[in-house]
Parts: sequence; C-alpha cells; structure tokens
Amino acid sequence: GIQVEQSPPDLILQEGANSTLRCNFSDSVNNLQWFHQNPWGQLINLFYIPSGTKQNGRLSATTVATERYSLLYISSSQTTDSGVYFCAVGGGGSRLTFGEGTQLTVNP
Amino acid sequence: DAGITQSPRHKVTETGTPVTLRCHQTENHRYMYWYRQDPGHGLRLIHYSYGVKDTDKGEVSDGYSVSRSKTEDFLLTLESATSSQTSVYFCAISETLAGLQETQYFGPGTRLLVL
Repeated sequence: GIQVEQSPPDLILQEGANSTLRCNFSDSVNNLQWFHQNPWGQLINLFYIPSGTKQNGRLSATTVATERYSLLYISSSQTTDSGVYFCAVGGGGSRLTFGEGTQLTVNP
Repeated sequence: DAGITQSPRHKVTETGTPVTLRCHQTENHRYMYWYRQDPGHGLRLIHYSYGVKDTDKGEVSDGYSVSRSKTEDFLLTLESATSSQTSVYFCAISETLAGLQETQYFGPGTRLLVL
C-alpha cells in the first residue's frame, strides 16, 4: 500500500511565527487531505488537495503530485493552531492512508 | 460538522465481552468509515461502507465486524474484546461530488478501554 511520511514529527513555535509541514507519499494519488486534530481530540478537515494550491485564511496547502509531496503552510501562528496535523492520501476507491502526524505546539 | 454522532463516547469493558459502537449521520452520505487511533500509528482504517449492506475491510479489520442496515447508521462490533483493542475509535463520512470521493469528515470519537 501507499506509504505516507510526515515531517517534522514535532514542532514548537512562538505565537506569530510561520511554519511549513511536509507530507511525502510513495505512489501516485488521486486524493490528498489535510486534517487538524485539536487538543480535545476533534478532527477537522482543512483541505482536499490532490494537486495544486489552496488557501484558507492563514493556512495554505500545495501538492506537487508528480513529485509526490504536499506542504501545509501556517502563517502568523496562534495558540489555537496547536494540535496534530495529519496528511491522508488515497490512490483509488474510498480508502485513505494517514501519516503519523506532526505535533504542533504554539506558545504564547 | 456533517451531522455525525458516535455512541457511546466512553466505554470501559472487560476482555472477552462483546462491544458495539454506533455511528449515526443525518445527511444521507453514502460512504462511512471506522478508524482507530493509537499512539505512533496515526489513524488506521478498520472497515468502511459504500452503501446499505455494502461493506469492505480496511487495513486492521481482524477482530472487528460491521453492519449497515440503514443509510444513517454504521455499527462496529468487537465480538470478543481484547486489550489490544483499547483505542480511540472514529467514524467518518465522505462528502462526495460528481460521484467521486472527496472530503472526509469525522465524528467526535469513542474512547474504549478493555481491561
């Protein structure tokens, strides 16, 4: 099956800093999504982005499908951005494979 | 939040007992999923459903069964719970567009402890 690797595994920032999270995958995909799991465990869908670039407020994501990676950018980070960010990919059908996540801590 | 609820939200049970977790959705989505989340493993797919009575296995399906008799309900059953099934279980749906699977949305999760 498809392998998904996220980096870095942990990231600590001061409020206001910018960050880039990376997701590498081992095979071609037709589905790629980014999720945020907040400290209370809730999983929120951030982007559906199998290719191209999208932006939503301070967050943006870019997927370069031909090179098998995706990047999630967080600008002007806030303490509420803390949590775990997951990348999930699918090569066909309805199944997604999740990476192990990046644990982000934003300090005030 | 895509109208997804899970019950119970927390459960403690003993090894060898049967356990059923329920996922309920209110928006008539065709695809539903059960995942488990464990430290160091991210989320792993247990089973999924692509319609009433239509289900298939995920990557960690051993020891689990599912049923979907109505569009809105997807049940996950541990026939004989083991300590290795202690985990947080998430239900999800896919919101589809033009027949393609697109974004997945998750329920609040169920914390299961098997003693």
